[in-house]
Amino acid sequence: AQSVTQLDSQVPVFEEAPVELRCNYSSSVSVYLFWYVQYPNQGLQLLLKYLSGSTLVKSINGFEAEFNKSQTSFHLRKPSVHISDTAEYFCAVSSMDSSYKLIFGSGTRLLVRP
Amino acid sequence: ETGVTQSPTHLIKTRGQQVTLRCSSQSGHNTVSWYQQALGQGPQFIFQYYREEENGRGNFPPRFSGLQFPNYSSELNVNALELDDSALYLCASSLGLTLSTDTQYFGPGTRLTVL
Repeated sequence: AQSVTQLDSQVPVFEEAPVELRCNYSSSVSVYLFWYVQYPNQGLQLLLKYLSGSTLVKSINGFEAEFNKSQTSFHLRKPSVHISDTAEYFCAVSSMDSSYKLIFGSGTRLLVRP
Repeated sequence: ETGVTQSPTHLIKTRGQQVTLRCSSQSGHNTVSWYQQALGQGPQFIFQYYREEENGRGNFPPRFSGLQFPNYSSELNVNALELDDSALYLCASSLGLTLSTDTQYFGPGTRLTVL
């Protein structure tokens, strides 16, 4: 079985500051890793994913995440946040042997202040 | 916009009643998955349908059932509603079966309140 832990329920930051949203996972098998973003009154949107290869993956809007197998982590970072980045961020895993379902963490609310 | 729509937006039911939630997938997407998101929690996988057959199921009792239709619409049915069923219900559609090759596109959800 897999599980995902997002220890920070809310992360407040000032605009243009860097941010890191933490994600740790537990699994006895190899996994795929995902970050989703949920804006108010909208569905979840895929931000980025790690399948294999380079451990650093990037999104089109400046976010990046690094897969660290030894620490079983997949932290999300952005060097400079905007007000529009205010949203709920969910880390998720999917096992490679039953990759039809996502196991989500409890989410981190990123609150960007002017 | 993900091209996935859900109806209704909000719904209020009483304990013991039955409810049907609807989802319209992107055209051409053969797979639909349903998730339950309780307040303050991440989504939990309920089940997945592929070409009108159930393909996988999470830890939800049989009173949660589903249907998928050839026109890319689907339903989630919940019988004998309980207070703990109050949640946001999300559907997600994708082309195929595996998340390694296909992206799941989520709808905005249906907020169910059970009184």
